[in-house]
Amino acid sequence: AQSVTQLDSQVPVFEEAPVELRCNYSSSVSVYLFWYVQYPNQGLQLLLKYLSGSTLVKGINGFEAEFNKSQTSFHLRKPSVHISDTAEYFCAVKRGDFGNEKLTFGTGTRLTIIP
Amino acid sequence: NAGVMQNPRHLVRRRGQEARLRCSPMKGHSHVYWYRQLPEEGLKFMVYLQKENIIDESGMPKERFSAEFPKEGPSILRIQQVVRGDSAAYFCASSPLVGQGTRYYNEQFFGPGTRLTVL
Repeated sequence: AQSVTQLDSQVPVFEEAPVELRCNYSSSVSVYLFWYVQYPNQGLQLLLKYLSGSTLVKGINGFEAEFNKSQTSFHLRKPSVHISDTAEYFCAVKRGDFGNEKLTFGTGTRLTIIP
Repeated sequence: NAGVMQNPRHLVRRRGQEARLRCSPMKGHSHVYWYRQLPEEGLKFMVYLQKENIIDESGMPKERFSAEFPKEGPSILRIQQVVRGDSAAYFCASSPLVGQGTRYYNEQFFGPGTRLTVL
């Protein structure tokens, strides 16, 4: 079975400062990795995904993440945050084989941008 | 192209009543997934369906919960005899079937959720 750990439940950051949201996963098989963003009272929106290839993936809204297989991590970064980035961020993992479609989510990190 | 639709957005039920949550997938999508988000927690997988077929229900509670995705119409998540612990946000996602192979991926597009409150 897969599991995802997001150690930071809340991260406050000043506007225009950089941010890193941490995600570690556990799996005995190859996986796909995702970051989703959830704005208040809305559904989840895909920020970026790692399927294969380059370990540095770029997503929407200026976010990027780096897959590190040896450390089983997939940390999300942004060099300069904006007020509009205030939201809940979820890391998720999916088995990389056909037929196993379910996503396993972490508990989320609430990012608060301080003006 | 309309996104995944869920209704109602908010549902209030008293203990012992039934709750029916509906999900209309994006046009052209043949797969539906249901997830539950308890307060202060991440989303937990419940069930994965194709039309007229349950593919994976490993996350569904053994009692009171059922799901269907008929040939025509939306997918329904049904909770019988609701209890306070069922209060949560229930999200539906849909995906197309892109194809099989050694490496493939069906992106799941999420709806806005139904927030169920049990009094």
